[in-house]
Amino acid sequence: NAGVTQTPKFRVLKTGQSMTLLCAQDMNHEYMYWYRQDPGMGLRLIHYSVGEGTTAKGEVPDGYNVSRLKKQNFLLGLESAAPSQTSVYFCASRNGGVVNQPQHFGDGTRLSIL
Amino acid sequence: AQKVTQAQTEISVVEKEDVTLDCVYETRDTTYYLFWYKQPPSGELVFLIRRNSFDEQNEISGRYSWNFQKSTSSFNFTITASQVVDSAVYFCALMDTNAGKSTFGDGTTLTVKP
Repeated sequence: NAGVTQTPKFRVLKTGQSMTLLCAQDMNHEYMYWYRQDPGMGLRLIHYSVGEGTTAKGEVPDGYNVSRLKKQNFLLGLESAAPSQTSVYFCASRNGGVVNQPQHFGDGTRLSIL
Repeated sequence: AQKVTQAQTEISVVEKEDVTLDCVYETRDTTYYLFWYKQPPSGELVFLIRRNSFDEQNEISGRYSWNFQKSTSSFNFTITASQVVDSAVYFCALMDTNAGKSTFGDGTTLTVKP
């Protein structure tokens, strides 16, 4: 059971570079989320999606873009990376059909911006 | 806006001691869901327990138990007879009914010493 898979697991970027983080889930979940986790803090929601072709802003969306072209994939893009975006990024998915279902998380992507 | 406060930043106990992790939340919603997640040193996030806002029955599951009190907006989590493998960061999360967006506390780092 793959669950939620994040690619890559680690990446180092230079300021101003762009990159895309990929999240793939094989549970046929409608809802998907991108969070960032900074040292000593909990997860903060960047963007989320309630279905294929739909996206919405979360708590900290600035500097990020997302796309949900296929139900199983949720992409997070950094157009011009900044050192403040150094963080661990977690993707999660959830079965929207049952209201109290927990989120299933990927293993995270550790991103460093130099 | 929703808010989750985990006042205990770090807790250290000796193996076999019981330990309670505190969580206080704020929300204007009448229906919401509360979760506890565990993040071991390996970094992944693991779902532990959940509680619906309309169900105040407290439960025990193995060595885990939780105390949900709506009157004080608290959702505390207890580990009985702690073990070294319980060492991790524990997050309390509040999930709304609007796309299931979650607000996380900053986490409590639990260290269980042998």
